[in-house]
Amino acid sequence: DTGVSQNPRHKITKRGQNVTFRCDPISEHNRLYWYRQTLGQGPEFLTYFQNEAQLEKSRLLSDRFSAERPKGSFSTLEIQRTEQGDSAMYLCASSFRDRGRGGYTFGSGTRLTVV
Amino acid sequence: QKEVEQNSGPLSVPEGAIASLNCTYSDRGSQSFFWYRQYSGKSPELIMFIYSNGDKEDGRFTAQLNKASQYVSLLIRDSQPSDSATYLCAVPLFSGGYNKLIFGAGTRLAVHP
Repeated sequence: DTGVSQNPRHKITKRGQNVTFRCDPISEHNRLYWYRQTLGQGPEFLTYFQNEAQLEKSRLLSDRFSAERPKGSFSTLEIQRTEQGDSAMYLCASSFRDRGRGGYTFGSGTRLTVV
Repeated sequence: QKEVEQNSGPLSVPEGAIASLNCTYSDRGSQSFFWYRQYSGKSPELIMFIYSNGDKEDGRFTAQLNKASQYVSLLIRDSQPSDSATYLCAVPLFSGGYNKLIFGAGTRLAVHP
């Protein structure tokens, strides 16, 4: 169990550029979540995958955001035409289906700064 | 009303004291509750979870549930400077056949020597 891995750890990009983040969950975890966290706030839910199926996408996610989880393994989160308001920590978490009782294991996050 | 609410703090306690952190939730049907610790610049780390059937103690940490008043508390005994962090309360929201965790904004704890 190597934990949840996220890459890159930090990303600085110019407004209008596209960025892609990657998350490798714990191997036996079939559930994967993306959250976004801004300073002074708790993590906000963005989207959820069960295996390869994206089952929910928050209204926080505009059309500029897209996430995939091909083959139910790693996941990517892409932001197109970045805006300064996209600056945040993007957190990936995974869990194993256990009737929803268990907590998540978070990755170390990707901090995005849009300049 | 937010689904999970916490006092943002900071809560300042002297080393060795008991730190008491509270969280209120809106869904009366919630069955489980989670506490995460988050150090500055790091990701959240699960430190405690309890179910609706009772309180739980784990080392210096105790989680207590008051279902009637819809709040859950985290007590940290013998607080240490290393406990200084933001503590996030999370409650599962059941929707569409699965649970997703809804987080409060967190309470910042400062333990001073």
